[in-house]
Amino acid sequence: QKEVEQNSGPLSVPEGAIASLNCTYSDRVSQSFFWYRQYSGKSPELIMSIYSNGDKEDGRFTAQLNKASQYVSLLIRDSQPSDSATYLCAVNKNTNAGKSTFGDGTTLTVKP
Amino acid sequence: GAVVSQHPSRVICKSGTSVKIECRSLDFQATTMFWYRQFPKQSLMLMATSNEGSKATYEQGVEKDKFLINHASLTLSTLTVTSAHPEDSSFYICSARSLPGQEGFQETQYFGPGTRLLVL
Repeated sequence: QKEVEQNSGPLSVPEGAIASLNCTYSDRVSQSFFWYRQYSGKSPELIMSIYSNGDKEDGRFTAQLNKASQYVSLLIRDSQPSDSATYLCAVNKNTNAGKSTFGDGTTLTVKP
Repeated sequence: GAVVSQHPSRVICKSGTSVKIECRSLDFQATTMFWYRQFPKQSLMLMATSNEGSKATYEQGVEKDKFLINHASLTLSTLTVTSAHPEDSSFYICSARSLPGQEGFQETQYFGPGTRLLVL
């Protein structure tokens, strides 16, 4: 079992719809959770971080964390073609090293 | 804020030569930098964790004598691919973790733009 698991996709949604991306993690001591967006040929870009249970909203993005169930999700409202990318979930155990464990990513395609 | 640069962005070299890649945090201090490699259509693979003033910690299966890492200051880490071969061709990405308590910066990793290496 991988430490951080994501559906590889591809996930395809029409423009204007809500895209829902899910991530599960295996280590219960994990403390910090991040979503990165990676366009093809580019490096990852941080879009959301979440540290406590519940929802965190930033513009069209909402991160949801449920530590009891060990999952974190990302919702993208009013999806745009420019949202088409691979979304990486990352989890930190919050050790001094600060090393993140990344999922393999979910590829999202938003169709006009 | 949170700008991380890499140089060069792209390099083509002959087999057997060494290539140095620089990673700089431009507007914050980073005690820790990470080096990743990513092959086409594959996920990020952590190669090593670089700590300022100490030896890097390499992930299992990564040859430390082939991938030399130097973290000379709080804003600069370098990765040298020694005696590069075609199988080393990949997208190398660094990230920098901000120091705790730096106003305006989340305690997470900020990625550089990556360096695309092609070994002929």
